[in-house]
Amino acid sequence: DSGVTQTPKHLITATGQRVTLRCSPRSGDLSVYWYQQSLDQGLQFLIQYYNGEERAKGNILERFSAQQFPDLHSELNLSSLELGDSALYFCASSMGPGLAGRAPAEQYFGPGTRLTVT
Amino acid sequence: KNQVEQSPQSLIILEGKNCTLQCNYTVSPFSNLRWYKQDTGRGPVSLTIMTFSENTKSNGRYTATLDADTKQSSLHITASQLSDSASYICVVRDYGQNFVFGPGTRLSVLP
Repeated sequence: DSGVTQTPKHLITATGQRVTLRCSPRSGDLSVYWYQQSLDQGLQFLIQYYNGEERAKGNILERFSAQQFPDLHSELNLSSLELGDSALYFCASSMGPGLAGRAPAEQYFGPGTRLTVT
Repeated sequence: KNQVEQSPQSLIILEGKNCTLQCNYTVSPFSNLRWYKQDTGRGPVSLTIMTFSENTKSNGRYTATLDADTKQSSLHITASQLSDSASYICVVRDYGQNFVFGPGTRLSVLP
């Protein structure tokens, strides 16, 4: 158990709908990262937050958004869902921001949320 | 285009044997390289993280090497165990803070 929790574990919804995935980082961790893992594209980095502020952005679609709250939990919002959005969504956390040129931050992954869009 | 390639795509070995997985990348500018182990349907678990100045890093029976000049990394697994059966993923982070993932190597350890 990594100490990172994600809810819900499974989510089934229809195309065009909107869902929210939730992540609670390990105690003491200030950074939260979101990743998508699909069968055809593998793992992809979506976005990182550090202490409430966006730190880095990857291949996140405009239909997707995220935020990190003062209690450090994070939510990933997916809207206008398409069949291709079906995937495992992982959240990871780390203590530091993992800035380039500094000591890299160890990341701890949650168990993931499996999203199925029908 | 920043890419990470891994080979082989899959590998089958007998319990107790050693194996080496390869990772080649074109990510630039380079910040760090990570190896993860992922069991099917579960979150990845970090094995090693290496920066530009590190050539070798070990974590138990796992040893990673990095050649920043040739942009190659390897993960060596010693005395394999059945529990080593998993996907092994190489990830490179660039200075723009993006993570580029390789497709993974699927390792099966047979008794």
